[in-house]
Amino acid sequence: SQKIEQNSEALNIQEGKTATLTCNYTNYSPAYLQWYRQDPGRGPVFLLLIRENEKEKRKERLKVTFDTTLKQSLFHITASQPADSATYLCALPLGGGNKLTFGTGTQLKVEL
Amino acid sequence: GAVVSQHPSWVICKSGTSVKIECRSLDFQATTMFWYRQFPKQSLMLMATSNEGSKATYEQGVEKDKFLINHASLTLSTLTVTSAHPEDSSFYICSARVGGTTNEKLFFGSGTQLSVL
Repeated sequence: SQKIEQNSEALNIQEGKTATLTCNYTNYSPAYLQWYRQDPGRGPVFLLLIRENEKEKRKERLKVTFDTTLKQSLFHITASQPADSATYLCALPLGGGNKLTFGTGTQLKVEL
Repeated sequence: GAVVSQHPSWVICKSGTSVKIECRSLDFQATTMFWYRQFPKQSLMLMATSNEGSKATYEQGVEKDKFLINHASLTLSTLTVTSAHPEDSSFYICSARVGGTTNEKLFFGSGTQLSVL
């Protein structure tokens, strides 16, 4: 079956460091992959989309890589700040109708 | 970016009552909207796809008679949880597709926390 896996353990890092979050998927070849940020009690906010033919994409302090051979995407936040603390979700279009399916998310805590 | 407004933000109701949640696209027309449910520490689970002017498409295991979806206009979809029970307590989130037929651009509402006593 198709699965999306993100590290369920919270990631704690120090301010100024680079945070790296992982999204792995199985049994599928998505045309694209998305990353979202979700704050407690709020809906997800779209951050970045990367297509299968793109290796890397950047937006300000964010960088996403997409390795279709490893079936993995890495999400990096450079020069992390406490305001970056949130849960980050990856999402892929799976199944009929390309319905967006979400991973469980990884909680990031950036400490002073 | 496009704005999706979801109301109410939270609602507490008694067991057996019905609750309606509204999802509006404020500055664009959305022929397709999606309803998700999220339990604590878990992922968003797609419940149904709401299509303007036609019946919603429900995911496997979601009771269509319990979760009534109405998408009567291009800017409004509603989810009604009928005869709510404590196990229906969850965070409900809607999203709207912006343009085209792909899901490359989805904008989400702020969610509704439902607590059934």
